Amino acid sequence: AQSVTQPDIHITVSEGASLELRCNYSYGATPYLFWYVQSPGQGLQLLLKYFSGDTLVQGIKGFEAEFKRSQSSFNLRKPSVHWSDAAEYFCAVGSSNYKLTFGKGTLLTVNP
Amino acid sequence: DTGVSQDPRHKITKRGQNVTFRCDPISEHNRLYWYRQTLGQGPEFLTYFQNEAQLEKSRLLSDRFSAERPKGSFSTLEIQRTEQGDSAMYLCASSTGAGRQGIDTQYFGPGTRLTVL
Repeated sequence: AQSVTQPDIHITVSEGASLELRCNYSYGATPYLFWYVQSPGQGLQLLLKYFSGDTLVQGIKGFEAEFKRSQSSFNLRKPSVHWSDAAEYFCAVGSSNYKLTFGKGTLLTVNP
Repeated sequence: DTGVSQDPRHKITKRGQNVTFRCDPISEHNRLYWYRQTLGQGPEFLTYFQNEAQLEKSRLLSDRFSAERPKGSFSTLEIQRTEQGDSAMYLCASSTGAGRQGIDTQYFGPGTRLTVL
């Protein structure tokens, strides 16, 4: 069965600093990987996805993620964080039975 | 494109009552999914529809839960005899169904927050 681990429950960064959120997955076949962001009390918004091809994926709001098969990782990065990026971030893996399996999320706090 | 909508956004009920939630997917999306999210956790898959057919149900979906998508458009999720443990955010998502090997991008609605007293 597939699983996703987000090792960091809570990260605090200063506005303008760089950001990297970690995601490790376990899946027996070619993974389909996603990052979603959730603001308080809201649904999930898709940031980016990896299905195949270039392992460096660009998303919305200046985010990117890199798929590393050898490390079973799909870390999310942003070069300069804005206060509006404060939210909870979820990594997910999709499987051939259509469902998404999510990690427990990383809460991002941005200090002014 | 109006996105996935869910109604109501919030529901407070007493233990033992029945509740029903509605999800309207993005127009022409063939697939519809329900997830449950409890505090401090990521969403967990509950069930999935391809058009009007319910193709998979998680073991999380006890016999008190039932979901329908009668005409392949909107869906309802009903919880009978609610328990305090049912308190959670219920998220609906939809996708086109055009993805390779069954995988495509799921777009989520704002969720229904259920509180069982």
